[in-house]
Amino acid sequence: QKEVEQDPGPLSVPEGAIVSLNCTYSNSAFQYFMWYRQYSRKGPELLMYTYSSGNKEDGRFTAQVDKSSKYISLFIRDSQPSDSATYLCAMTAQGGSEKLVFGKGTKLTVNP
Amino acid sequence: EAQVTQNPRYLITVTGKKLTVTCSQNMNHEYMSWYRQDPGLGLRQIYYSMNVEVTDKGDVPEGYKVSRKEKRNFPLILESPSPNQTSLYFCASSTPNRGHEQYFGPGTRLTVT
Repeated sequence: QKEVEQDPGPLSVPEGAIVSLNCTYSNSAFQYFMWYRQYSRKGPELLMYTYSSGNKEDGRFTAQVDKSSKYISLFIRDSQPSDSATYLCAMTAQGGSEKLVFGKGTKLTVNP
Repeated sequence: EAQVTQNPRYLITVTGKKLTVTCSQNMNHEYMSWYRQDPGLGLRQIYYSMNVEVTDKGDVPEGYKVSRKEKRNFPLILESPSPNQTSLYFCASSTPNRGHEQYFGPGTRLTVT
């Protein structure tokens, strides 16, 4: 079993839709859970991170972590064409660790 | 502007011809890493450095070398490139205790024929 599993998609939705992106993981030591966004021909950029379990909201984006199920989600409300990108989940056991484990990324297209 | 820069952005080379991809950051970050990104395999760490003169292997270090002689620079060296090193390479940096917040460069697309 891979440490981090992420459905690669692709996912295509109409503008204004609610988008749900998910990852599962197997390592119960993971404590930091990140979502990176990668536009075409660009490097990944950190979108949100959550420490341990719970929810975190930032504008139209909500990150959820369910450690009991080893499952994390990113919700995008009122999706916009500018949200079209590849979204990568990433996890690490320690905040000071350089050892991030990435999912393979989900490619999202939001159609006008 | 805070940034990580990589050069070159695109490179086509032949098998066995040594090459270096440079990486520089202006954020005074201690941590720097190199990743490769391949379709179906995602981002995989090649090498990382926790500070000047301190480097360690990541998940896929074979065929690569790194050095960290200055805090801002972290070059990736392919001494004898092979076609299986054709990939998209990213450099990243971060601070201690915030390794989860990595700042990525724009990427270098390498093709080895």
